[in-house]
Amino acid sequence: DTGVSQDPRHKITKRGQNVTFRCDPISEHNRLYWYRQTLGQGPEFLTYFQNEAQLEKSRLLSDRFSAERPKGSFSTLEIQRTEQGDSAMYLCASSLYGSTDTQYFGPGTRLTVL
Amino acid sequence: KQEVTQIPAALSVPEGENLVLNCSFADSAIYNLQWFRQDPGKGLTSLLLIQSSQREQTSGRLNASLDKSSGRSTLYIAASQPGDSATYLCATSTIYNQGGKLIFGQGTELSVKP
Repeated sequence: DTGVSQDPRHKITKRGQNVTFRCDPISEHNRLYWYRQTLGQGPEFLTYFQNEAQLEKSRLLSDRFSAERPKGSFSTLEIQRTEQGDSAMYLCASSLYGSTDTQYFGPGTRLTVL
Repeated sequence: KQEVTQIPAALSVPEGENLVLNCSFADSAIYNLQWFRQDPGKGLTSLLLIQSSQREQTSGRLNASLDKSSGRSTLYIAASQPGDSATYLCATSTIYNQGGKLIFGQGTELSVKP
């Protein structure tokens, strides 16, 4: 197991289009997190799952954002009707709750909205 | 509401120097605290995690300390090398969500000059 993977690594889209990102966590990890990072800032929490259950969603997340983790394994993050302000790095992390709780991050998906 | 602050925002040192990066947090009810490294355009690499009951953790040339009463953590890097150049981020989770979402500081950009 080589760690958390994310696909695609880069996405360029036009304003108003929908985009979907995928995250594959470390296989035995039961928690999966999504964060967003803009240039010069620390990552900002979006949402997280424990197994299939979405336990928390940021109040900053508009209704255009939705995330799923249907079988408690991989997760998808969808952004509908993208806006230029959505341009950012989207980071996924996973952890094993009840063990070390260390969050391990993937390489991120860089989204550019034109 | 948890807030995490890192000072300074940027630091430049000559190779071989020992250095300390600072992190402060507003709410002492933390579950754990993590230090990460981020290279430009990349994801985050976990360096050290300190549980709320611990005072410090060490890994190689890195030593992280935690003082909940003062709301501070420090990351000590011994004998710095050019390869240590990166942005260093600290992040906390709180007891309210038992190690769920991380709240990040804005990071300290470290440059180690040969």
